[in-house]
Amino acid sequence: GDSVTQMEGPVTLSEEAFLTINCTYTATGYPSLFWYVQYPGEGLQLLLKATKADDKGSNKGFEATYRKETTSFHLEKGSVQVSDSAVYFCALFKTGANNLFFGTGTRLTVIP
Amino acid sequence: ETGVTQSPTHLIKTRGQQVTLRCSSQSGHNTVSWYQQALGQGPQFIFQYYREEENGRGNFPPRFSGLQFPNYSSELNVNALELDDSALYLCASSDPGWNYGYTFGSGTRLTVV
Repeated sequence: GDSVTQMEGPVTLSEEAFLTINCTYTATGYPSLFWYVQYPGEGLQLLLKATKADDKGSNKGFEATYRKETTSFHLEKGSVQVSDSAVYFCALFKTGANNLFFGTGTRLTVIP
Repeated sequence: ETGVTQSPTHLIKTRGQQVTLRCSSQSGHNTVSWYQQALGQGPQFIFQYYREEENGRGNFPPRFSGLQFPNYSSELNVNALELDDSALYLCASSDPGWNYGYTFGSGTRLTVV
């Protein structure tokens, strides 16, 4: 079945450090891929998305490239800020389905 | 435009009781989905409602049921609560064209004791 595997957390970084959170997926066909972010006490917010192979999604300095050959969608940011502290979820959606499949989430803490 | 609002924000119930959670979808969105997020886990799909009909269901037992109203708001009902039902319940709405955009509410934290 369809699934998403995320890098285990938690991840703790100093401000201005480089961030990578790994995400790989298993799915038939050509899913769309997403990163969602969950700040403390809040729901999920869409961070970025990519709908086909080699697409790069980007938002707020975060980027992820849809790599079909490695079935990956790793999240990166060149310089993290304290305000980026949150839980990040990788997810996939298949056309014709009714739901998102989420990974287990990676908690990021950025210290000043 | 208003976002997705859920009520209540927190709830404590006793095992065996029944609970109803409510969700108001974002303006213009006619599809509502419900997810269960256990502590430390990613959200799991419960079901989706479109035009007041169930339109897909995840691997949840029948004691999880729902409704969608003409104004597209929705309810999630859980009967015979079990301790493992303790979780954050998230509602998400999307527009008719979907356009790969789900808007999530802040969730209802349910604790079953």
